Amino acid sequence: QSALTQPASMSGSPGQSITISCTGTSSDVGGNKYVTWVQQHPGKAPKVILYEVSKRPSGASNRFSGSKSGNTASLTISGLQAEDEADYYCASHSASGNCLFGGGTHLTVV
Amino acid sequence: EVLLVESGGGLVQPGGSLRLSCAASGFTFTNYWMHWVRQAPGKGLVWVSRVDHYGSDTKHADFVEGRFTVSRDNAKNTVFLEMTGLRVDDSAMYYCFTDVGWGQGTLVTVSS
Repeated sequence: QSALTQPASMSGSPGQSITISCTGTSSDVGGNKYVTWVQQHPGKAPKVILYEVSKRPSGASNRFSGSKSGNTASLTISGLQAEDEADYYCASHSASGNCLFGGGTHLTVV
Repeated sequence: EVLLVESGGGLVQPGGSLRLSCAASGFTFTNYWMHWVRQAPGKGLVWVSRVDHYGSDTKHADFVEGRFTVSRDNAKNTVFLEMTGLRVDDSAMYYCFTDVGWGQGTLVTVSS
């Protein structure tokens, strides 16, 4: 069982927007700004798409946006494209000094 | 461009040791904590270890505590993971990452 809770799978159609949630506690997601989202295509290394809740690293698509409310962080992907089909993981620093991951969400674009 | 390049993985027998390295470039290395994460085939990402900006504070997951040691050399922009007492279930792809980037991984296989 992962420390952060994400839906196991989601699906959307091209052009739609979807939001993936990541729920933790006040000791991790709710207690600091260090929430990261990564995208992983099959057989590839993960890639950071958002850090510090809502910041995009250089090269990341502006179709990815992030937010946080209480102990839940959210990743929104707008204008879904076939290339967005991948696994998405959230991660958060925790008060204990370690880093927690979600179990991952498999996004299917149908 | 943020670049993290891992090396040092390989095939090792149970009980053996390996030292992983991760060379970083494209960002101010001392501004960030550095982490190691692993992923077994078909499984999710599992956090392993982290080191703070200057190497003075480290944390490890319970399942590697006492066997793995994380460190960094800020003069060389490199983070290390010293792994001892390796077990079959330590077999995985090991990635280094920071808030702004991930490496491509190095494969560790523990088998007799």
